[in-house]
Amino acid sequence: QSVLTQPPSASGTPGQRVTISCSGSSSNIGSNPVNWYQQLPGTAPKLLIYSTTQRPSGVPDRFSGSKSGTSASLAISGLQSEDEADYFCGAWDDSLNGPVFGGGTKLTV
Amino acid sequence: EVQLVESGGGVVRPGGSLRLSCAASGFTFDDYGMSWVRQVPGKGLEWVSAINWNDVSRGYAGSVKGRFTISRDNAENSLFLQMNSLRAEDTALYYCARASYSGSYDYWGQGTLVTVSS
Repeated sequence: QSVLTQPPSASGTPGQRVTISCSGSSSNIGSNPVNWYQQLPGTAPKLLIYSTTQRPSGVPDRFSGSKSGTSASLAISGLQSEDEADYFCGAWDDSLNGPVFGGGTKLTV
Repeated sequence: EVQLVESGGGVVRPGGSLRLSCAASGFTFDDYGMSWVRQVPGKGLEWVSAINWNDVSRGYAGSVKGRFTISRDNAENSLFLQMNSLRAEDTALYYCARASYSGSYDYWGQGTLVTVSS
């Protein structure tokens, strides 16, 4: 049972915009930045969004992050077939004194 | 190019021990904190342990505290995880990850599989 809650699946067609939610609590998302990771099939996770809204160099601006209260969202616009992957959210948890993650959302394009 | 290469995984019986290693290259190793994160194939990510750049601070998930020990050798650019009293629920792919200054994990290794089974 993951500390952060994500929907198990999401889907969209090429060119569409999809959002993936991540729900937490006051001890994690409510008080700390959120990070998002993309995991393509058979590969290691890759950092997609850090500090809630920032993109590492090389990540297309089609990917964006936001947060409100104890929930965060990852938005992907102009959906492409190569975006088909698992997406995980993560944040520091002040109560557990360590990072926590969501269970992941499998995106189908 | 930043590279993290894990090794040391394998099949072990319940109660047994394993020592995982992570060889780092392409960056100044002793500038960064490092972590171990595990994933049961097809499931979510679980933080296991973290160590700061100079080994002054170590942290563990409650599920492994007292059984696992993280360490590092900055001279050898290596990270380690000593796993004792292994349980079936420790079966997972173990990733070595670099902690960025923002608190995210900006580079990950490819993982090493640990299977605990009788």
